[in-house]
Amino acid sequence: DTGVSQDPRHKITKRGQNVTFRCDPISEHNRLYWYRQTLGQGPEFLTYFQNEAQLEKSRLLSDRFSAERPKGSFSTLEIQRTEQGDSAMYLCASSLSSAGGNYGYTFGSGTRLTVV
Amino acid sequence: GENVEQHPSTLSVQEGDSAVIKCTYSDSASNYFPWYKQELGKRPQLIIDIRSNVGEKKDQRIAVTLNKTAKHFSLHITETQPEDSAVYFCAPPTSGTYKYIFGTGTRLKVLA
Repeated sequence: DTGVSQDPRHKITKRGQNVTFRCDPISEHNRLYWYRQTLGQGPEFLTYFQNEAQLEKSRLLSDRFSAERPKGSFSTLEIQRTEQGDSAMYLCASSLSSAGGNYGYTFGSGTRLTVV
Repeated sequence: GENVEQHPSTLSVQEGDSAVIKCTYSDSASNYFPWYKQELGKRPQLIIDIRSNVGEKKDQRIAVTLNKTAKHFSLHITETQPEDSAVYFCAPPTSGTYKYIFGTGTRLKVLA
């Protein structure tokens, strides 16, 4: 286990198509996060999981976005009916967890989505 | 609320000089304060963090200081080198959750 893995690294899709991204976190990490980053901006929070439970979803996220972590291990992020504004780097991160404790993230290399 | 600001937004220093980046947050219940470094085209990486029961933490050339009363924490880099050139983000957590809101970022350029 060498870190957080994301697949694919790059995705080009036509507007209106659906896309799905996968993230494999570090195996000891119970928390998994999805962020979106556009050029010149900081990562923007999308959603996060503790084990298989999705604990929070950004209010900025439209109903076209859905994420799952069915067995508390890998996660998928699906975007339906893609729009050009969805073009961004989608980053996955994972962290340790303990009662009442915060820990830093380990990020994956990201999936760069281009909607044409 | 979730309001995180960083200053300055860009910073240029001569190699060997020190750099300081400040992060101001609004959530008084925040108890964990990390800094991330993102080189061009790469993922953000955690470089140093501090918890609220500590005022300062140092790791070789980098240090973080925390002022909970004023609700800000700062990244200090001494003896800067060209490889320190990157964008730096602070990301304090939002109370009651385990998510982090990233600051606006500071682009540091170290001039050789």
